[in-house]
Amino acid sequence: KNQVEQSPQSLIILEGKNCTLQCNYTVSPFSNLRWYKQDTGRGPVSLTIMTFSENTKSNGRYTATLDADTKQSSLHITASQLSDSASYICVVTTYNNDMRFGAGTRLTVKP
Amino acid sequence: DAMVIQNPRYQVTQFGKPVTLSCSQTLNHNVMYWYQQKSSQAPKLLFHYYDKDFNNEADTPDNFQSRRPNTSFCFLDIRSPGLGDAAMYLCATSRTRLAGAGGANVLTFGAGSRLTVL
Repeated sequence: KNQVEQSPQSLIILEGKNCTLQCNYTVSPFSNLRWYKQDTGRGPVSLTIMTFSENTKSNGRYTATLDADTKQSSLHITASQLSDSASYICVVTTYNNDMRFGAGTRLTVKP
Repeated sequence: DAMVIQNPRYQVTQFGKPVTLSCSQTLNHNVMYWYQQKSSQAPKLLFHYYDKDFNNEADTPDNFQSRRPNTSFCFLDIRSPGLGDAAMYLCATSRTRLAGAGGANVLTFGAGSRLTVL
């Protein structure tokens, strides 16, 4: 069983709408959590990195939250654009330097 | 711009014919990684180099080898590709592999090399 679970697997929204992607993890001991955006046919690009003490971090229209007690993170996208269509991958790193990848959420933004 | 460059972007090979994928970086990062990513799946770590120190994942098949002749370059050699090896191969770098070093182990990925096996 993957220790980083993302939901939903795929999501279709209309341009301009908001959406929230979820990441639940059981990885420990937790060090940090990162969200990556992966465009089709490209490598992932880091959006945010959050450590144990951080609850919220924003990067433009992207806002990530972290609840270390419940081991949940979310990525909220505001006012979606066509260019937001991509896979969003959650990566959790332990203090043992073990990086665990989620399978990603495939987001499609339609006009 | 400093970056991670992978070549070729697309590689078609025949079953059993060796193939080499290359990765170069201008970030002067100490760590270089190779990941295999199949459709709709998470990237799977094959191995990584910390400087010249090679670290193989336990479940990486012997068919996959790697070389790092210098800080800037790292190669992935697939000795006898099978149909199951068709995938996107991602190279990534990080300044360090230490998780506790703040963002220093953030991965910078290349654009990937897509391998097709006929």
